[in-house]
Amino acid sequence: GAVVSQHPSWVICKSGTSVKIECRSLDFQATTMFWYRQFPKQSLMLMATSNEGSKATYEQGVEKDKFLINHASLTLSTLTVTSAHPEDSSFYICSARVRVSEAFFGQGTRLTVV
Amino acid sequence: AQSVTQLDSQVPVFEEAPVELRCNYSSSVSVYLFWYVQYPNQGLQLLLKYLSGSTLVKGINGFEAEFNKSQTSFHLRKPSVHISDTAEYFCAVRDRGSNYKLTFGKGTLLTVNP
Repeated sequence: GAVVSQHPSWVICKSGTSVKIECRSLDFQATTMFWYRQFPKQSLMLMATSNEGSKATYEQGVEKDKFLINHASLTLSTLTVTSAHPEDSSFYICSARVRVSEAFFGQGTRLTVV
Repeated sequence: AQSVTQLDSQVPVFEEAPVELRCNYSSSVSVYLFWYVQYPNQGLQLLLKYLSGSTLVKGINGFEAEFNKSQTSFHLRKPSVHISDTAEYFCAVRDRGSNYKLTFGKGTLLTVNP
């Protein structure tokens, strides 16, 4: 099956710094990728839809300047958390659309801001 | 817009017992339905999906689910669980016309005890 690789798996950063998370489709081209955020023991909340070669579409309530998304190629989307604060600590998961009816998920990134 | 309700936040069962994880959805349009499994600190893995056709869908790891349109349900079942089935299970829907935006339920933690 299709493989989506997310890096890093976990990251600790200081408050006020920025951190970049990568999402790669390893064996297919993904014109559309999605970024989710998951709080402890809660469901996944869609943050934004990332389209190759165009601006990301953010869900209501998600700060565009805080969570920068870049989808510069058909196999790579990045999420940059800018000026991170402890409340940004969370589990971030990307997914890539493979077919009309299916998407594959990365393994997630645990972000801890101290 | 869609919504997904997973009626049980936690389901403890003994090994080799049958299990049913319940999922109900609400949507004004036709939807696709999915079940995903998440192991600790990992991404989501697709268990099974309902797109059309037979309402009984078989997935990986011995799981199956039945789509009931009149009851707007998509319950997940397994006749005999193993310790390794211990994980979080998410039900998700998307409307057939969307750009693959998934709406997730809050998840059900299945704990299989020896």
